Amino acid sequence: SAVISQKPSRDICQRGTSLTIQCQVDSQVTMMFWYRQQPGQSLTLIATANQGSEATYESGFVIDKFPISRPNLTFSTLTVSNMSPEDSSIYLCSVDQGSGYGYTFGSGTRLTVV
Amino acid sequence: QKEVEQDPGPLSVPEGAIVSLNCTYSNSAFQYFMWYRQYSRKGPELLMYTYSSGNKEDGRFTAQVDKSSKYISLFIRDSQPSDSATYLCAMTANYGGSQGNLIFGKGTKLSVKP
Repeated sequence: SAVISQKPSRDICQRGTSLTIQCQVDSQVTMMFWYRQQPGQSLTLIATANQGSEATYESGFVIDKFPISRPNLTFSTLTVSNMSPEDSSIYLCSVDQGSGYGYTFGSGTRLTVV
Repeated sequence: QKEVEQDPGPLSVPEGAIVSLNCTYSNSAFQYFMWYRQYSRKGPELLMYTYSSGNKEDGRFTAQVDKSSKYISLFIRDSQPSDSATYLCAMTANYGGSQGNLIFGKGTKLSVKP
């Protein structure tokens, strides 16, 4: 299965600042996905990132707050902008392994906003 | 009613016990079902992936899907302390493409005591 490296693994940030999270995959994938996991809540899809096109955002998530880049088939970044304490969460990237193999997740970025 | 319901636990069992983890769902269109294991401060790790109804076994793990009852289960035999983690169910009607229709349960926290 694909190996996903996600950086940073954790960070503590001041409110009003921005943090960029990187996701590197060891194989080429068409789509990469960004999730948020809040304490006691289900994983929630933020957006889908296709190489060469604008990311597609789920309801409740906007590009100004969560800009995404997808410069090639193995890499993507998610930026959490103008952070507030409510953005404290775990952020995860994911890729599709193909039918029969499910979806693989990175190890996550634990973000705390103070 | 939420699309996917999962008892959050916590569930505590002695080492060697058989563990049963369950999810119910409301959308009869779901046909791809996944179980993930998530250790503390780690990303979700795919354990089992099944299509439609039936059973699938992998070592000490067995996944069952009963589409008529909209009920899925994960059984862990001879549970070990290393199985202590949060277990997430996930499901979708259409595999591939956008993950916007991949729905997760909130996860069940399992503790296996030596």
